[in-house]
Amino acid sequence: EAGVAQSPRYKIIEKRQSVAFWCNPISGHATLYWYQQILGQGPKLLIQFQNNGVVDDSQLPKDRFSAERLKGVDSTLKIQPAKLEDSAVYLCASSLNRLTDTQYFGPGTRLTVL
Amino acid sequence: RKEVEQDPGPFNVPEGATVAFNCTYSNSASQSFFWYRQDCRKEPKLLMSVYSSGNEDGRFTAQLNRASQYISLLIRDSKLSDSATYLCVVNERDTNAGKSTFGDGTTLTVKP
Repeated sequence: EAGVAQSPRYKIIEKRQSVAFWCNPISGHATLYWYQQILGQGPKLLIQFQNNGVVDDSQLPKDRFSAERLKGVDSTLKIQPAKLEDSAVYLCASSLNRLTDTQYFGPGTRLTVL
Repeated sequence: RKEVEQDPGPFNVPEGATVAFNCTYSNSASQSFFWYRQDCRKEPKLLMSVYSSGNEDGRFTAQLNRASQYISLLIRDSKLSDSATYLCVVNERDTNAGKSTFGDGTTLTVKP
């Protein structure tokens, strides 16, 4: 079974630039999560989708971050404009349906903002 | 206070040792609990779910104490390959959604 795919794996940008990350969840998984993991901390949930609807985006900095999941499959996370403090690993995860289901993570995108 | 707090660590133990990690959570309405393992520069992977009755998987035992709002992970007979960061996860449920909250992790190093 193919896992969660993410691209790019690494990205270096300058502050105030824009960046986008892509995620393809495991086939059939209804729930998709985007997390931000800063070095030395646990993953912080940014947004959670159930199919193509947003379930929780309470921790998404909406002035600069946006995310969409068209057709309930792939998802993109965008940052515009980036700040130095956005340097982190952005992890995408998917689960079958419910919170009690295992979350499967992709390899992440390591973002460095200079 | 953080919603999910873990022992700060790091834990440095010799092979064969028994080590225990605790994780406390603040929302008494939390519904489900997990331990994930994260190797250096890798993604988190599920280690085990935590059930009310406690559960065991080989050398690993997880327990939940709802009254005191904490979960624990016990590792017996530590192996070098157990070296990793262990993340506890608490899933909450409110009227619209259930938020998944990770702790900051506890780092374990098992030495020969």
